[in-house]
Amino acid sequence: DSGVTQTPKHLITATGQRVTLRCSPRSGDLSVYWYQQSLDQGLQFLIQYYNGEERAKGNILERFSAQQFPDLHSELNLSSLELGDSALYFCASSGGQAGGYYEQYFGPGTRLTVT
Amino acid sequence: TQLLEQSPQFLSIQEGENLTVYCNSSSVFSSLQWYRQEPGEGPVLLVTVVTGGEVKKLKRLTFQFGDARKDSSLHITAAQPGDTGLYLCAGVGGTYKYIFGTGTRLKVLA
Repeated sequence: DSGVTQTPKHLITATGQRVTLRCSPRSGDLSVYWYQQSLDQGLQFLIQYYNGEERAKGNILERFSAQQFPDLHSELNLSSLELGDSALYFCASSGGQAGGYYEQYFGPGTRLTVT
Repeated sequence: TQLLEQSPQFLSIQEGENLTVYCNSSSVFSSLQWYRQEPGEGPVLLVTVVTGGEVKKLKRLTFQFGDARKDSSLHITAAQPGDTGLYLCAGVGGTYKYIFGTGTRLKVLA
């Protein structure tokens, strides 16, 4: 158990809909990262938050948005869903200190199926 | 754009064999991590290497960071079926971005 929790575990929805994925980081971790992993694909970095502020942005579509709340949990919002958005979405957390190195701990993921 | 290429992409070996997985880039990373991921689960951190030339051992797994901090290797001695999984390297690049490698899918046959 990494200490990172994600809900829901599975999500099935229709094209055009909007969903929200939730992540609670490990206790004490300030950084939250979101990744997308499609079938047989590697992990695609979407976005990182550090202590409530957006820190880095990857290949995140304009239809997707995220935020980190004062209690450090994070939500990833996916709107106008398309079939191609079906994937595993992972959240990871780390201590996120500026400089140096830091290690990510991944949650169990949310499997999104768009029909 | 920073990229991490892993090789081989797929590897199927018999129990007891040795193997090496490579992670290469043209970019320098401040640190590099190796993860193992099993189907339907999140990646699990195995090791972090920070210093060029650094070697770390985790039981039958040996990790090395290249002298120039652009590449890394993972060597498994006497592979076991429990080693089966997707192995991912990840480099910490500029502006705090994690760059994940393309992955090596390992299958160890009993």
